[in-house]
Amino acid sequence: DTEVTQTPKHLVMGMTNKKSLKCEQHMGHRAMYWYKQKAKKPPELMFVYSYEKLSINESVPSRFSPECPNSSLLNLHLHALQPEDSALYLCASSQAVARTDTQYFGPGTRLTVL
Amino acid sequence: QQQVKQSPQSLIVQKGGISIINCAYENTAFDYFPWYQQFPGKGPALLIAIRPDVSEKKEGRFTISFNKSAKQFSLHIMDSQPGDSATYFCAASKAAGNKLTFGGGTRVLVKP
Repeated sequence: DTEVTQTPKHLVMGMTNKKSLKCEQHMGHRAMYWYKQKAKKPPELMFVYSYEKLSINESVPSRFSPECPNSSLLNLHLHALQPEDSALYLCASSQAVARTDTQYFGPGTRLTVL
Repeated sequence: QQQVKQSPQSLIVQKGGISIINCAYENTAFDYFPWYQQFPGKGPALLIAIRPDVSEKKEGRFTISFNKSAKQFSLHIMDSQPGDSATYFCAASKAAGNKLTFGGGTRVLVKP
């Protein structure tokens, strides 16, 4: 099973709302990632967790707050977002953080900020 | 600064034809080059990958060619099928951190 699941599929929120995106994998992977993808653009890395510890933060604004409660779960907490944050948010996982470890992506959460 | 440049942005090919997508990179520290395929409404999925000590790698109808001295690599899709219609991203990564740097993407449309 190489499935990464993400919930919800779609999310609409106002600029004052607080919401969370959830990602789950049961492949025993120890690295998990959050990406942001705008329409017709490549995914942009936001965060990397390795063994449940944040290892890379690509200078993401603090209105995005990642959390890795355990090795199977990854959350992205959202607060006071801007309309330009509307995008597809992708979660991925890999066995570890070696460069040859395949990243398996989930289907994404389509976020719209009003 | 775009570290991996991908061309063309879009491509239309007839069924049975060959689709060719090219990528060029700048950072010589990159040493792993995967290609991802993304269908609408889905996340990217690994298609095929190559390391710079190999000049060519073939998996089924998909072939990567790699030119280390020119810092270029390309994806060839042989006998293209309508089901291959998707966006293709080349990528590159360095030794540590598994951080992928993606090219801009190529939208491929295979006409029946």
